[in-house]
Amino acid sequence: AAGVIQSPRHLIKEKRETATLKCYPIPRHDTVYWYQQGPGQDPQFLISFYEKMQSDKGSIPDRFSAQQFSDYHSELNMSSLELGDSALYFCASSLSRDRGREKLFFGSGTQLSVL
Amino acid sequence: GQSLEQPSEVTAVEGAIVQINCTYQTSGFYGLSWYQQHDGGAPTFLSYNALDGLEETGRFSSFLSRSDSYGYLLLQELQMKDSASYFCAPDSGGYQKVTFGIGTKLQVIP
Repeated sequence: AAGVIQSPRHLIKEKRETATLKCYPIPRHDTVYWYQQGPGQDPQFLISFYEKMQSDKGSIPDRFSAQQFSDYHSELNMSSLELGDSALYFCASSLSRDRGREKLFFGSGTQLSVL
Repeated sequence: GQSLEQPSEVTAVEGAIVQINCTYQTSGFYGLSWYQQHDGGAPTFLSYNALDGLEETGRFSSFLSRSDSYGYLLLQELQMKDSASYFCAPDSGGYQKVTFGIGTKLQVIP
């Protein structure tokens, strides 16, 4: 069965550089979530999209932006990277509420290291 | 607002039974999910309780009491591979975020 695909798997950047993370949800899933997880921390919600529109926003820095495209894939853009942005970034997808939104399927994550 | 409480760490013996509790406070509530996450891995969905009572899936069961804002995850016949972090996540409805608590780190020992 198809799963959530994230790329790249690993990413190394310098301070003040930019990074773009990509997420391809499970086919027919209409909701995408982005989470940031630091070492030993719980996943922190960043932002979500439903049917290509932003549906909720969490603790996402102003330096970060995200969007969902017509093919439902999503990108998280991160600018002016800081050392503290080093973390594992997860994308998850789900169906909307009427079809079981409560079950999130996670990708394997992108490990971002800022040097 | 939302708050979640789970024990931070639990240690149990292989073959035993362990219960991980979760109490929550949310502005709206539709159900409670549980996720498992191994170190360095992605969270994996385990169960969802929309109604009061016990849901069983193999060795794992999850319980919900809406009136008590309380739920638990029960793991039976513990195996070493069950060593992981377990997160409860209340579903507050809508097309909103699913928020995780700090999680419970379960260590299974021989």
